[in-house]
Amino acid sequence: DTAVSQTPKYLVTQMGNDKSIKCEQNLGHDTMYWYKQDSKKFLKIMFSYNNKELIINETVPNRFSPKSPDKAHLNLHINSLELGDSAVYFCASSPRGQRNEQFFGPGTRLTVL
Amino acid sequence: AQSVSQHNHHVILSEAASLELGCNYSYGGTVNLFWYVQYPGQHLQLLLKYFSGDPLVKGIKGFEAEFIKSKFSFNLRKPSVQWSDTAEYFCAVELSGGYNKLIFGAGTRLAVHP
Repeated sequence: DTAVSQTPKYLVTQMGNDKSIKCEQNLGHDTMYWYKQDSKKFLKIMFSYNNKELIINETVPNRFSPKSPDKAHLNLHINSLELGDSAVYFCASSPRGQRNEQFFGPGTRLTVL
Repeated sequence: AQSVSQHNHHVILSEAASLELGCNYSYGGTVNLFWYVQYPGQHLQLLLKYFSGDPLVKGIKGFEAEFIKSKFSFNLRKPSVQWSDTAEYFCAVELSGGYNKLIFGAGTRLAVHP
């Protein structure tokens, strides 16, 4: 029974396209996150939502727009894809508040050609 | 800006060898500390965490970590590694009092040979 799931697992697309990655968690958590892992495995937070409210928005280009239709879902839409967007994108969730373990999804490997 | 440094990028060990992976952070305030592991082809999962109290914390699979406040360090250790410990290990820091935002280190790739 998957806790945090992401679709698709792999995404290959051309520069300039618009694409979305979906994330769902069935853990009942209030908080969800998007992370980007670059080619050197460096993992950096992009966004965090708390019960559908944006609470963390790092210095991410505004081509990236997260959307949370309900607290179990946090989707990531990317406009006008660029080569530098190629990375693995991880969704995660946790209970509200600090000191909580974050549960990660399997990742979506995005390749922009 | 706050940062997390993992000085060992690649570590290669033989089975039964002892492991210590370094993690240092730059932040003068109170922090919550985590080690996550990513096994090949799998998602990140928590190994252990430290918030307060005994600075030596034990996690899953025989791992432990020691928080040394004066050195801003949270090194991960295991007395005897196994082939199945081959993975990428990430140290992460959460700044206490803020949002639950994790700042990750660059990761250490551990390869254990039989």
